[in-house]
Amino acid sequence: GQNIDQPTEMTATEGAIVQINCTYQTSGFNGLFWYQQHAGEAPTFLSYNVLDGLEEKGRFSSFLSRSKGYSYLLLKELQMKDSASYLCAVRDPGNTDKLIFGTGTRLQVFP
Amino acid sequence: ETGVTQTPRHLVMGMTNKKSLKCEQHLGHNAMYWYKQSAKKPLELMFVYSLEERVENNSVPSRFSPECPNSSHLFLHLHTLQPEDSALYLCASSQEMAGVDNEQFFGPGTRLTVL
Repeated sequence: GQNIDQPTEMTATEGAIVQINCTYQTSGFNGLFWYQQHAGEAPTFLSYNVLDGLEEKGRFSSFLSRSKGYSYLLLKELQMKDSASYLCAVRDPGNTDKLIFGTGTRLQVFP
Repeated sequence: ETGVTQTPRHLVMGMTNKKSLKCEQHLGHNAMYWYKQSAKKPLELMFVYSLEERVENNSVPSRFSPECPNSSHLFLHLHTLQPEDSALYLCASSQEMAGVDNEQFFGPGTRLTVL
C-alpha cells in the first residue's frame, strides 16, 4: 500500500536547528517534495529530491535516501515565522505521477 | 492576479444546499487538481484534470461534481453534502500532469463547513 509517515507535532526554540523526518512506502518513486503550509494558507513548495543526497537552499535543506525510503527536512537558525505545518509528498509514477501526501508535521517555534 | 486563486475563502452550507467552489490559475498550466484537507489527515487527491479532460476521479462521492471549462478554470459543484465533508478544499495546478514539470502550486483553499 501507500504510506507516508511523519511526526504529528514538533517544537523548537528560535535560533535552533530542527530535523523533520519522513519515511515512505509507495508502489513507485519519482521524487519527493516538501511543502510548507501556514495556518489558513496555501501549501508552498520548499524542496524537491529525486536523487540520494542533500539539497541545500538557504536555511532549509532536504535529504533523501531512496534505499531506506527516508527523507528529512532540516531547518536552521529557526525563526518564529517558521511555525507552520511541513508536508512530505512522494510522486508515484505507478499512479499517474500523482503526489501522495503525509499528514504533515506541525512545527511550533518558541522564543 | 497571480498564481492560483480560489473563491470563496469560507463557505457555510446546509445539507440540502447547492454551491460551487471556483479555482483560477494564472500560470499557463495544463493540469489542475482538487484536494480535500481534513484535520489530522493527509491531503486527499479528489480529481485531476489535464488539458480540460478529467484523468482521475479518486473514488469521490457523486455529491462532488467537478467541471473544467478551460485550462485556467476549475469548479467543484457541491450538493447534498454531509457534515463529514467539512474540510479545507485546495485547488492546485502544474505545468504538466506527469514528469519533471508537475510541481504543484496551491491556492489558499476554501474552508467549507456543512451544517
